[in-house]
Amino acid sequence: SQQGEEDPQALSIQEGENATMNCSYKTSINNLQWYRQNSGRGLVHLILIRSNEREKHSGRLRVTLDTSKKSSSLLITASRAADTASYFCAFYNQGGKLIFGQGTELSVKP
Amino acid sequence: ETGVTQTPRHLVMGMTNKKSLKCEQHLGHNAMYWYKQSAKKPLELMFVYSLEERVENNSVPSRFSPECPNSSHLFLHLHTLQPEDSALYLCASSQDSSFWNEQYFGPGTRLTVT
Repeated sequence: SQQGEEDPQALSIQEGENATMNCSYKTSINNLQWYRQNSGRGLVHLILIRSNEREKHSGRLRVTLDTSKKSSSLLITASRAADTASYFCAFYNQGGKLIFGQGTELSVKP
Repeated sequence: ETGVTQTPRHLVMGMTNKKSLKCEQHLGHNAMYWYKQSAKKPLELMFVYSLEERVENNSVPSRFSPECPNSSHLFLHLHTLQPEDSALYLCASSQDSSFWNEQYFGPGTRLTVT
């Protein structure tokens, strides 16, 4: 399968805690992207990490990429109730299509 | 969400109806996409348009017919759909269709086929 595999499928934490989501893939990539989706809405691009980068930060987000293990992680620090959403990793396959993982449903309880 | 808009936001149609979904992007992008998101499944790419030309048709049944009259507008014409076509249909755009671009999504059309 070309799609990304994400774990956990669901994550429930308390406000203020950190949330970590993982993504694994099987193909060679130029970059890996993370998107967020609030329930029943469109996706919002969060961050893009290139294949020659190991770590990238954006506000409370930290993304790592390990191309030798074909895996990436998204860390949200000091989570808020408003972070409750589904989070997807995505990458372009060899045919140039953006392939999405199945997503992690994050629930942050106030 | 004002960058990419989709109408209608909700649509209920019978299997014999013909309807169209509309997407408009105000970002000056050259590539537009249709995705299908079913419950508990990853997003499925349906169609890709680059500079108003279809560059990808991802084995989508002919009951879905896309149209891109210009780089700002994308339509998905629907006819004789099946109940399993019920899903959230998402439109997206990007600067171009290369590997380096993030995609900007509309809010989606929730389609129910009865």
